[in-house]
Amino acid sequence: LAKTTQPISMDSYEGQEVNITCSHNNIATNDYITWYQQFPSQGPRFIIQGYKTKVTNEVASLFIPADRKSSTLSLPRVSLSDTAVYYCLVGDVLGNFNKFYFGSGTKLNVKP
Amino acid sequence: NAGVTQTPKFQVLKTGQSMTLQCAQDMNHNSMYWYRQDPGMGLRLIYYSASEGTTDKGEVPNGYNVSRLNKREFSLRLESAAPSQTSVYFCASSAQGAVPDTQYFGPGTRLTVL
Repeated sequence: LAKTTQPISMDSYEGQEVNITCSHNNIATNDYITWYQQFPSQGPRFIIQGYKTKVTNEVASLFIPADRKSSTLSLPRVSLSDTAVYYCLVGDVLGNFNKFYFGSGTKLNVKP
Repeated sequence: NAGVTQTPKFQVLKTGQSMTLQCAQDMNHNSMYWYRQDPGMGLRLIYYSASEGTTDKGEVPNGYNVSRLNKREFSLRLESAAPSQTSVYFCASSAQGAVPDTQYFGPGTRLTVL
Protein backbone atom coordinates (compact mmCIF):
# COMPACT_ATOMS: atom_id res chain seq x y z
CA LEU A 1 0.00 0.00 0.00
CA ALA A 2 1.27 3.44 -0.88
CA LYS A 3 1.35 5.49 2.30
CA THR A 4 0.71 9.18 2.36
CA THR A 5 2.21 12.17 4.18
CA GLN A 6 0.13 15.25 4.96
CA PRO A 7 0.60 18.25 7.26
CA ILE A 8 -0.86 17.54 10.68
CA SER A 9 -2.78 20.81 10.82
CA MET A 10 -3.45 24.04 8.94
CA ASP A 11 -5.09 27.32 9.82
CA SER A 12 -7.00 29.56 7.46
CA TYR A 13 -9.48 32.42 7.48
CA GLU A 14 -12.94 32.58 6.02
CA GLY A 15 -12.99 33.46 2.33
CA GLN A 16 -9.44 32.25 1.65
CA GLU A 17 -8.45 29.48 -0.71
CA VAL A 18 -6.87 26.52 1.09
CA ASN A 19 -4.44 24.10 -0.51
CA ILE A 20 -3.56 20.87 1.28
CA THR A 21 -0.71 18.89 -0.24
CA CYS A 22 -0.24 15.17 0.15
CA SER A 23 2.93 13.22 -0.66
CA HIS A 24 2.70 9.66 -1.97
CA ASN A 25 6.11 8.77 -3.34
CA ASN A 26 5.37 5.06 -3.72
CA ILE A 27 2.15 5.42 -5.69
CA ALA A 28 1.55 2.48 -8.03
CA THR A 29 0.48 2.65 -11.65
CA ASN A 30 -3.10 1.55 -10.91
CA ASP A 31 -3.57 3.68 -7.78
CA TYR A 32 -6.12 6.46 -7.58
CA ILE A 33 -5.95 9.44 -5.24
CA THR A 34 -9.00 10.10 -3.12
CA TRP A 35 -9.79 12.73 -0.50
CA TYR A 36 -12.26 12.41 2.35
CA GLN A 37 -13.54 14.97 4.84
CA GLN A 38 -14.48 14.17 8.43
CA PHE A 39 -16.37 16.39 10.85
CA PRO A 40 -16.22 15.69 14.60
CA SER A 41 -18.42 12.78 15.68
CA GLN A 42 -19.22 11.82 12.09
CA GLY A 43 -17.97 9.30 9.58
CA PRO A 44 -15.74 10.44 6.71
CA ARG A 45 -17.36 11.78 3.56
CA PHE A 46 -16.00 11.52 0.00
CA ILE A 47 -14.82 14.81 -1.51
CA ILE A 48 -12.99 14.10 -4.74
CA GLN A 49 -10.99 11.47 -6.60
CA GLY A 50 -8.53 11.60 -9.48
CA TYR A 51 -5.90 9.67 -11.37
CA LYS A 52 -3.87 12.39 -13.11
CA THR A 53 -3.93 16.08 -14.08
CA LYS A 54 -6.81 18.08 -12.62
CA VAL A 55 -10.26 17.15 -11.39
CA THR A 56 -12.89 19.65 -10.28
CA ASN A 57 -16.31 19.23 -8.74
CA GLU A 58 -18.74 21.52 -6.95
CA VAL A 59 -16.79 21.24 -3.69
CA ALA A 60 -13.08 21.16 -4.52
CA SER A 61 -10.32 20.75 -7.08
CA LEU A 62 -7.62 18.12 -7.12
CA PHE A 63 -4.29 18.82 -8.79
CA ILE A 64 -2.02 15.90 -9.65
CA PRO A 65 1.37 16.51 -11.30
CA ALA A 66 2.67 14.30 -14.07
CA ASP A 67 4.82 12.15 -11.77
CA ARG A 68 1.82 11.57 -9.46
CA LYS A 69 4.07 11.53 -6.38
CA SER A 70 2.01 14.23 -4.74
CA SER A 71 -1.42 15.81 -5.01
CA THR A 72 -3.05 19.02 -3.82
CA LEU A 73 -6.59 19.43 -2.62
CA SER A 74 -7.83 22.97 -3.21
CA LEU A 75 -10.83 24.34 -1.33
CA PRO A 76 -11.99 27.68 -2.75
CA ARG A 77 -13.20 30.41 -0.37
CA VAL A 78 -13.48 28.33 2.80
CA SER A 79 -16.07 29.00 5.47
CA LEU A 80 -16.22 28.09 9.15
CA SER A 81 -18.16 24.95 8.20
CA ASP A 82 -15.11 23.63 6.32
CA THR A 83 -13.32 23.11 9.65
CA ALA A 84 -12.69 19.37 9.58
CA VAL A 85 -10.03 16.69 9.12
CA TYR A 86 -9.08 15.96 5.52
CA TYR A 87 -7.67 12.56 4.56
CA CYS A 88 -5.64 11.79 1.46
CA LEU A 89 -5.91 8.16 0.38
CA VAL A 90 -4.03 6.33 -2.32
CA GLY A 91 -5.23 2.95 -3.47
CA ASP A 92 -6.71 0.66 -6.02
CA VAL A 93 -9.41 -1.92 -6.38
CA LEU A 94 -7.98 -5.29 -5.46
CA GLY A 95 -10.19 -8.31 -5.67
CA ASN A 96 -13.34 -6.20 -5.56
CA PHE A 97 -12.12 -4.34 -2.51
CA ASN A 98 -11.19 -0.69 -2.10
CA LYS A 99 -7.63 -1.14 -0.87
CA PHE A 100 -7.01 2.14 0.92
CA TYR A 101 -4.96 3.39 3.81
CA PHE A 102 -6.30 6.21 5.99
CA GLY A 103 -3.42 8.22 7.45
CA SER A 104 -3.79 10.69 10.29
CA GLY A 105 -5.17 13.42 8.03
CA THR A 106 -4.85 17.20 8.09
CA LYS A 107 -6.88 19.10 10.64
CA LEU A 108 -8.05 22.31 8.97
CA ASN A 109 -9.11 25.08 11.30
CA VAL A 110 -10.98 27.95 9.62
CA LYS A 111 -11.10 31.14 11.64
CA PRO A 112 -13.56 34.04 11.29
CA ASN B 1 -32.97 6.03 1.80
CA ALA B 2 -31.08 5.90 5.12
CA GLY B 3 -27.66 5.04 3.66
CA VAL B 4 -25.51 3.24 6.24
CA THR B 5 -26.97 2.76 9.71
CA GLN B 6 -25.21 1.49 12.82
CA THR B 7 -26.48 0.33 16.20
CA PRO B 8 -25.93 1.06 18.97
CA LYS B 9 -24.63 4.64 18.95
CA PHE B 10 -22.97 4.29 22.35
CA GLN B 11 -21.97 1.30 24.47
CA VAL B 12 -20.09 0.76 27.70
CA LEU B 13 -18.73 -2.71 28.42
CA LYS B 14 -16.74 -4.28 31.21
CA THR B 15 -13.56 -6.15 30.39
CA GLY B 16 -14.40 -9.66 29.23
CA GLN B 17 -17.95 -8.92 28.11
CA SER B 18 -19.02 -9.60 24.56
CA MET B 19 -21.16 -7.61 22.16
CA THR B 20 -22.10 -7.31 18.51
CA LEU B 21 -22.12 -4.07 16.54
CA GLN B 22 -24.72 -4.02 13.79
CA CYS B 23 -24.43 -2.33 10.42
CA ALA B 24 -26.89 -2.18 7.54
CA GLN B 25 -26.91 -0.40 4.17
CA ASP B 26 -29.82 0.17 1.81
CA MET B 27 -27.83 1.18 -1.29
CA ASN B 28 -27.48 -2.36 -2.70
CA HIS B 29 -23.70 -2.13 -2.30
CA ASN B 30 -21.49 -5.16 -2.74
CA SER B 31 -18.64 -4.28 -0.39
CA MET B 32 -18.79 -3.46 3.30
CA TYR B 33 -16.08 -2.47 5.80
CA TRP B 34 -15.47 -2.09 9.52
CA TYR B 35 -13.00 0.53 10.77
CA ARG B 36 -11.93 1.73 14.17
CA GLN B 37 -10.79 5.24 14.99
CA ASP B 38 -8.85 5.97 18.15
CA PRO B 39 -8.72 9.54 19.52
CA GLY B 40 -6.75 11.88 17.25
CA MET B 41 -5.98 9.10 14.80
CA GLY B 42 -7.03 8.09 11.34
CA LEU B 43 -9.21 5.10 10.57
CA ARG B 44 -7.82 1.58 10.61
CA LEU B 45 -9.49 -1.24 8.74
CA ILE B 46 -10.55 -4.18 10.90
CA TYR B 47 -12.35 -6.46 8.44
CA TYR B 48 -14.01 -6.13 5.11
CA SER B 49 -16.44 -8.06 2.96
CA ALA B 50 -15.93 -7.70 -0.78
CA SER B 51 -19.20 -9.44 -1.55
CA GLU B 52 -21.97 -11.37 0.15
CA GLY B 53 -20.56 -14.55 1.62
CA THR B 54 -16.93 -13.41 1.83
CA THR B 55 -14.96 -11.71 4.59
CA ASP B 56 -11.28 -10.88 4.93
CA LYS B 57 -8.96 -9.44 7.54
CA GLY B 58 -7.84 -5.85 7.36
CA GLU B 59 -5.07 -4.07 9.21
CA VAL B 60 -6.15 -4.77 12.85
CA PRO B 61 -8.37 -7.89 13.01
CA ASN B 62 -7.22 -9.38 16.32
CA GLY B 63 -9.98 -9.59 18.93
CA TYR B 64 -12.80 -9.25 16.40
CA ASN B 65 -15.02 -11.45 14.28
CA VAL B 66 -17.42 -10.48 11.53
CA SER B 67 -20.45 -11.89 9.78
CA ARG B 68 -21.83 -10.84 6.41
CA LEU B 69 -25.38 -11.90 7.16
CA ASN B 70 -26.73 -10.93 3.74
CA LYS B 71 -26.04 -8.25 1.17
CA ARG B 72 -27.41 -5.52 3.44
CA GLU B 73 -25.93 -6.43 6.82
CA PHE B 74 -22.40 -6.75 8.18
CA SER B 75 -21.87 -7.26 11.91
CA LEU B 76 -18.77 -6.94 14.08
CA ARG B 77 -18.40 -9.04 17.23
CA LEU B 78 -16.14 -8.55 20.21
CA GLU B 79 -15.97 -11.90 22.00
CA SER B 80 -14.08 -10.73 25.09
CA ALA B 81 -13.77 -6.97 25.21
CA ALA B 82 -10.52 -5.35 26.36
CA PRO B 83 -9.79 -1.71 27.30
CA SER B 84 -7.59 -1.47 24.19
CA GLN B 85 -10.76 -1.85 22.12
CA THR B 86 -12.15 1.43 23.40
CA SER B 87 -12.67 3.35 20.19
CA VAL B 88 -15.20 4.68 17.71
CA TYR B 89 -16.26 2.06 15.20
CA PHE B 90 -17.37 2.98 11.70
CA CYS B 91 -19.07 0.79 9.16
CA ALA B 92 -18.87 1.69 5.47
CA SER B 93 -20.07 0.34 2.16
CA SER B 94 -19.21 0.81 -1.49
CA ALA B 95 -20.80 -0.30 -4.74
CA GLN B 96 -17.49 -1.55 -6.14
CA GLY B 97 -16.50 -1.42 -9.73
CA ALA B 98 -13.34 -1.35 -11.80
CA VAL B 99 -11.98 1.78 -10.10
CA PRO B 100 -11.95 2.67 -6.40
CA ASP B 101 -15.47 3.52 -5.42
CA THR B 102 -16.86 6.05 -2.99
CA GLN B 103 -17.17 4.60 0.49
CA TYR B 104 -20.25 5.70 2.41
CA PHE B 105 -19.82 5.74 6.17
CA GLY B 106 -22.26 5.26 8.98
CA PRO B 107 -22.49 7.59 12.00
CA GLY B 108 -20.28 5.41 14.18
CA THR B 109 -20.55 3.51 17.46
CA ARG B 110 -18.67 4.94 20.42
CA LEU B 111 -17.48 2.01 22.55
CA THR B 112 -15.89 2.27 25.98
CA VAL B 113 -14.43 -0.79 27.69
CA LEU B 114 -13.79 -0.42 31.41
